[in-house]
Amino acid sequence: DAGITQSPRHKVTETGTPVTLRCHQTENHRYMYWYRQDPGHGLRLIHYSYGVKDTDKGEVSDGYSVSRSKTEDFLLTLESATSSQTSVYFCAISETQGAGYEQYFGPGTRLTVT
Amino acid sequence: GNSVTQMEGPVTLSEEAFLTINCTYTATGYPSLFWYVQYPGEGLQLLLKATKADDKGGNKGFEATYRKETTSFHLEKGSVQVSDSAVYFCALSDFGNEKLTFGTGTRLTIIP
Repeated sequence: DAGITQSPRHKVTETGTPVTLRCHQTENHRYMYWYRQDPGHGLRLIHYSYGVKDTDKGEVSDGYSVSRSKTEDFLLTLESATSSQTSVYFCAISETQGAGYEQYFGPGTRLTVT
Repeated sequence: GNSVTQMEGPVTLSEEAFLTINCTYTATGYPSLFWYVQYPGEGLQLLLKATKADDKGGNKGFEATYRKETTSFHLEKGSVQVSDSAVYFCALSDFGNEKLTFGTGTRLTIIP
C-alpha cells in the first residue's frame, strides 16, 4: 500500500469556521491532489500540486486553498466552511503526471459542516 | 472537454452471477482508461487500466477492453463474489490534460 495518511479522518465543524485537512505521504511522489466525493458526482478535483510551492486549481476550487511547503505534506484549507462543503475529501499522489500513470489514494476525511 | 459516463447503480447480483458495468467516454485525444474500486470505508484503489485501443486490462478476475470505435471501457467479471461488493469508478486521463476525470461511480452489492 502507498504510504498516504490523512488527518483528521472525521471532523464536524460549524459554518464560518476555518478548517485545515492534512495529507502526508512517504513515497516522495512529486504530484499530489485533493478531491471531494459527493453522491451523483463521483470524485471532483479541487486543487493539485506538481512540486513544493507549485499548485494549481481543479474544477471545484472556489472556497478552498492549498499549500505545499514540503514534498510530503499537502494541506487543504477551507477559509470559512459552508454546508455545501460537507463531503468526503480524498488526497491522492502520483509519481508523474502522464496519461496512463496511476494515482494512489488516501483513506479519506469525512467533513461535516453544520 | 473530457467526460465519463457510467452505468447508474446501485447494482445487486447474486453470488456467481456475471457482471457488466458500462462505461463510455468523451475525450479530445487518445486517453488512458482506468477502473478504480472503493471498498467500504476506504479510499480508491486501481483495479485495472488500458492505455491504447484494443488493450485489455485485467485484475482479480475483472476485465475491460478499450474500444475506440465505441468509446467504451466496460467492466466485466464472469463470476462475482460477496467480496466484490464495492463502488466502481471508471476514469480517464488524456495527453495535455493528464488529471483524472471520473465517472459518478456504480455501487455493486453481491448477495450470497
